[in-house]
Amino acid sequence: EVQLVESGGGLVQPGGSLRLSCAASGFTVSTNYMSWVRQAPGKGLEWVSVIYSGGGTYYADSVRGRFSISRHNSRNTLFLQMNSLRAEDTAVYYCARDSFLRGLARGMDVWGQGATVIVSS
Amino acid sequence: DIQLTQSPSFQSASVGERVTITCRASQDITSNLAWYQQQPGKVPKLLIYAASTLQSGVPSRFTGSGSGTEFTLTISSLQPEDFASYYCQQLDSYPWTFGQGTKVDVK
Repeated sequence: EVQLVESGGGLVQPGGSLRLSCAASGFTVSTNYMSWVRQAPGKGLEWVSVIYSGGGTYYADSVRGRFSISRHNSRNTLFLQMNSLRAEDTAVYYCARDSFLRGLARGMDVWGQGATVIVSS
Repeated sequence: DIQLTQSPSFQSASVGERVTITCRASQDITSNLAWYQQQPGKVPKLLIYAASTLQSGVPSRFTGSGSGTEFTLTISSLQPEDFASYYCQQLDSYPWTFGQGTKVDVK
């Protein structure tokens, strides 16, 4: 079964750090584009970051320089390292697989269950 | 960055009604648009990609149309499980962006 399972969420003080993990099964993380998407309480979806199959990365302006996306190929796991956290980073964080067909993006077809991050003193 | 504007933000409807949601892009994105459904407390689910292609397993009452800068999602006959929030997403270039969402609730 194709599945993503996240872990690592929690309560952290402003300025603190947290690392989210996203373990994949049923497919290979390293041969796919993988994204993180977040959703603040009562708000819409916000795309955060992507790691390409080739290893390149891209970030939303709101997190660039503070967040870092990576993966561990042998563990088939995606990570999001979050530093210098702010209250506005409070959200449910989802990992998702970016689907491509013949070089064209086809949407995020597999999602994790979400990890809750609360930034508060 | 490409901005997406959905309308309406809220839609009240009854079971069996036809519902249409519009998504406008700030620049031409050809057909590089997806639609998602998010039921309350649930994970987003991909409904449509490439503006009009139904994701496997999605009921045929959902249809997508449009290209360029204007797109629509239509639910032909609203079912109880369709009361949810709907988001468009542009897949033309990173950073991916989403519309602000449309919540469909019970009239």
